[in-house]
Amino acid sequence: DTGVSQDPRHKITKRGQNVTFRCDPISEHNRLYWYRQTLGQGPEFLTYFQNEAQLEKSRLLSDRFSAERPKGSFSTLEIQRTEQGDSAMYLCASSGGTPAEAFFGQGTRLTVV
Amino acid sequence: AQSVTQLDSQVPVFEEAPVELRCNYSSSVSVYLFWYVQYPNQGLQLLLKYLSGSTLVESINGFEAEFNKSQTSFHLRKPSVHISDTAEYFCAVIASGGSYIPTFGRGTSLIVHP
Repeated sequence: DTGVSQDPRHKITKRGQNVTFRCDPISEHNRLYWYRQTLGQGPEFLTYFQNEAQLEKSRLLSDRFSAERPKGSFSTLEIQRTEQGDSAMYLCASSGGTPAEAFFGQGTRLTVV
Repeated sequence: AQSVTQLDSQVPVFEEAPVELRCNYSSSVSVYLFWYVQYPNQGLQLLLKYLSGSTLVESINGFEAEFNKSQTSFHLRKPSVHISDTAEYFCAVIASGGSYIPTFGRGTSLIVHP
C-alpha cells in the first residue's frame, strides 16, 4: 500500500488550454473523491466515484470539467478551456467503506496564467 | 445537508501552552467526525476520528477531541503544543444514511511561537 498518488504535482498552463490530472487510489478502496482547495479555504467537494460509477457531482463542477474512473481503478480529472479562476489545488482521496476516513493524495497545484 | 463551522481562522499560541481548535457541525442525522492536518503544499493527513463508541478520541501525537452531541461540537485540544504542530487543521463531517461524502470546514491555522 503506497497511499494515494497524484500526478502531476504542479501544472502551469495558459488560459484556454486543456489539462488532465491523474489519481491512483489505495488499491482496495472502492470510493474515490475529487476536491478543490483554494488558498485559505477547506477542500470543496467536486465529485465522487464508487468503483467505476460517478455517483455525485457538485455544482462547482461546470461543464468544462469531466472526470472518469475506468474499470474502477485510477481516475482522471480533465479541465477544458482553463480559466484563471481554475487555479487551485486539486485533491484526490479514496476510502474503503462507509463510514470511513478518506485518505488524501499530495494534490496537484494548477496555475492558469 | 451537513455543514461544518470552524470559527477561528487563526490561533496563535506559544510553545508548550495548551490549545483548543473549535469545530461545530450542523446535521439533521447522526454524524461521523474527523480532524485532518495539512502542512504546506501537502495533502491532508488524518489526525483522529469519531465513528462510534467512546466520545473522547485521541491521536498518537497528543491531540484529543470530544464528540459532544448536545453542543454539536468536536473541538480539538492539546495540553502542550510544539513548534512542529504549526499547520492547518480541518474538521470534517460525514452524515449517515446519505452519500457518505466528507464535508470540510474552512480550516484553522495553528501558529506556534517559540
